[in-house]
Amino acid sequence: DQQVKQNSPSLSVQEGRISILNCDYTNSMFDYFLWYKKYPAEGPTFLISISSIKDKNEDGRFTVFLNKSAKHLSLHIVPSQPGDSAVYFCAASDGSGNTGKLIFGQGTTLQVKP
Amino acid sequence: EAGVAQSPRYKIIEKRQSVAFWCNPISGHATLYWYQQILGQGPKLLIQFQNNGVVDDSQLPKDRFSAERLKGVDSTLKIQPAKLEDSAVYLCASSSVSGNTIYFGEGSWLTVV
Repeated sequence: DQQVKQNSPSLSVQEGRISILNCDYTNSMFDYFLWYKKYPAEGPTFLISISSIKDKNEDGRFTVFLNKSAKHLSLHIVPSQPGDSAVYFCAASDGSGNTGKLIFGQGTTLQVKP
Repeated sequence: EAGVAQSPRYKIIEKRQSVAFWCNPISGHATLYWYQQILGQGPKLLIQFQNNGVVDDSQLPKDRFSAERLKGVDSTLKIQPAKLEDSAVYLCASSSVSGNTIYFGEGSWLTVV
């Protein structure tokens, strides 16, 4: 039972354009969401997060939007750069109060072409 | 600040053999996690420690997997006997007690043949 889903396995965009990565979840008890970036042969690194009490969080070129009614969040990268090419994981905290127990999506591989 | 350290980075073993992975978390981080990432999937939590106590091990296959964190710092994850489906990256991570951000190590890649 996949509670966090990233339905697009891959995405390719041109340098300078916007990248939009999507994530859907099924559990309405999830109250904290994160995006991690992973380069080959490295561990995931934290990118940006959002609490369920907000609908938007911005950090430089990265913005995460949360639509609770649709159980959907998205990560926008503007402008996209070749160094952004990586696997992006969406993750959710399961609402039990244990913020360390993350449930991850399958990941989306982003390729930014020069 | 040093990151989460893991060893070995790569290991190939035959099925039914045993393997152990070691992790040293970020200094001062009381919470330590072991995640399993199978190719094409997202990481899945196996076990979570706070200091040397287990917080959550609900997804740890306890018939073959074991983990310990004896002094509340380093941790080891052991698999015995290994199965083909255990081939994965084993990610150790840590966080402070009050922090929402989890920091991952580079992972230990296991191939079971």
